[in-house]
Amino acid sequence: DAGITQSPRHKVTETGTPVTLRCHQTENHRYMYWYRQDPGHGLRLIHYSYGVKDTDKGEVSDGYSVSRSKTEDFLLTLESATSSQTSVYFCAISESRPHQETQYFGPGTRLLVL
Amino acid sequence: AQKVTQAQTEISVVEKEDVTLDCVYETRDTTYYLFWYKQPPSGELVFLIRRNSFDEQNEISGRYSWNFQKSTSSFNFTITASQVVDSAVYFCALSEAGNNFNKFYFGSGTKLNVKP
Repeated sequence: DAGITQSPRHKVTETGTPVTLRCHQTENHRYMYWYRQDPGHGLRLIHYSYGVKDTDKGEVSDGYSVSRSKTEDFLLTLESATSSQTSVYFCAISESRPHQETQYFGPGTRLLVL
Repeated sequence: AQKVTQAQTEISVVEKEDVTLDCVYETRDTTYYLFWYKQPPSGELVFLIRRNSFDEQNEISGRYSWNFQKSTSSFNFTITASQVVDSAVYFCALSEAGNNFNKFYFGSGTKLNVKP
């Protein structure tokens, strides 16, 4: 199994508060991704990173920001959480570009915004 | 339009039955990759297979087999002699090599219930 951990695994927060989710990998893979999973939508890409300090937006990036200061860590921040951001968040990694290499997923973080 | 369509929202079978999960994709690229992932009730996403657009050979791995047909833009997944442990949500996904880097499309998933 790919060495990917996510923290926290569960979080309950209130509308308007900032939230940061952490993804940590031990595989030294260059590419990292944040997805959200919602019923009926499968997984949708929020942001991705193709190297330290190199990030870009995905399909559903509004309301989210990311940072990657080290190869092994990719942080997802909800600046001011809203109820529509209640979801399960998955981090993924890949050794090379996603259309050439398989993405491996972390265990997920369940976020509830009240 | 959806890039990846999994029309079967939920399927229920009895153990030992064969079951096929359908996946239809849409792309204009000539080079692309297709994937299947399994998400058991525990919630993690498990990679099952990756197939590139130039390889239409069917693949078999134990009780699992995949049928890739470019003519119908389908990449179907068959489980032979299903078992209770196969109960999960299965996702099909498409990655387009010629498009933007950040394009990786998931279908909405098919929930498979295997009853004893």
